[in-house]
Amino acid sequence: GQSLEQPSEVTAVEGAIVQINCTYQTSGFYGLSWYQQHDGGAPTFLSYNALDGLEETGRFSSFLSRSDSYGYLLLQELQMKDSASYFCANKAAGNKLTFGGGTRVLVKP
Amino acid sequence: NAGVTQTPKFQVLKTGQSMTLQCAQDMNHNSMYWYRQDPGMGLRLIYYSASEGTTDKGEVPNGYNVSRLNKREFSLRLESAAPSQTSVYFCASSEMTSGQETQYFGPGTRLLVL
Repeated sequence: GQSLEQPSEVTAVEGAIVQINCTYQTSGFYGLSWYQQHDGGAPTFLSYNALDGLEETGRFSSFLSRSDSYGYLLLQELQMKDSASYFCANKAAGNKLTFGGGTRVLVKP
Repeated sequence: NAGVTQTPKFQVLKTGQSMTLQCAQDMNHNSMYWYRQDPGMGLRLIYYSASEGTTDKGEVPNGYNVSRLNKREFSLRLESAAPSQTSVYFCASSEMTSGQETQYFGPGTRLLVL
């Protein structure tokens, strides 16, 4: 089976850096994805790591360590619009994504 | 290019009623998915279709049926709605580029079963 664990909530101030950790236990692993979802909205794709290391896309970076079954999403220079829920997801065999429970990020002025 | 569209946006049903949620994508993607999301929770896969003509069960398929009508359309049917099916339903389609899969989600259907 598949399971992904991430913290339920993180609070930070504008301009700060937030790291959202994701640990996973899977019977098959092809890569770790991250999605953002604003309240009342649909999830949107942020990043994907298939190999170990850091992927940087603007203010957001994602990291993967396959040997540790661990990844994280790093949000830098936080802005109010970054207040949202962030989900890690594992793509396993059968072309299916399994999502973690999500981390709600609250950015304060 | 509308992406992934879903109808209806909102629906209220009584226990035992049936309904079909519609989903269409115009991105020529092979794979399509139906998820449900309960308040404060992640998405759980109900059914998916890897290509036209094929469907497979996901994590929570009980109480649902699906039809992959053609490459564009993937519908979800509740034959006899139950209050436990009150949720937000998201349809998605995906593409694979250079080994990376990206899923594109529709706006969701908010369903209340009384």
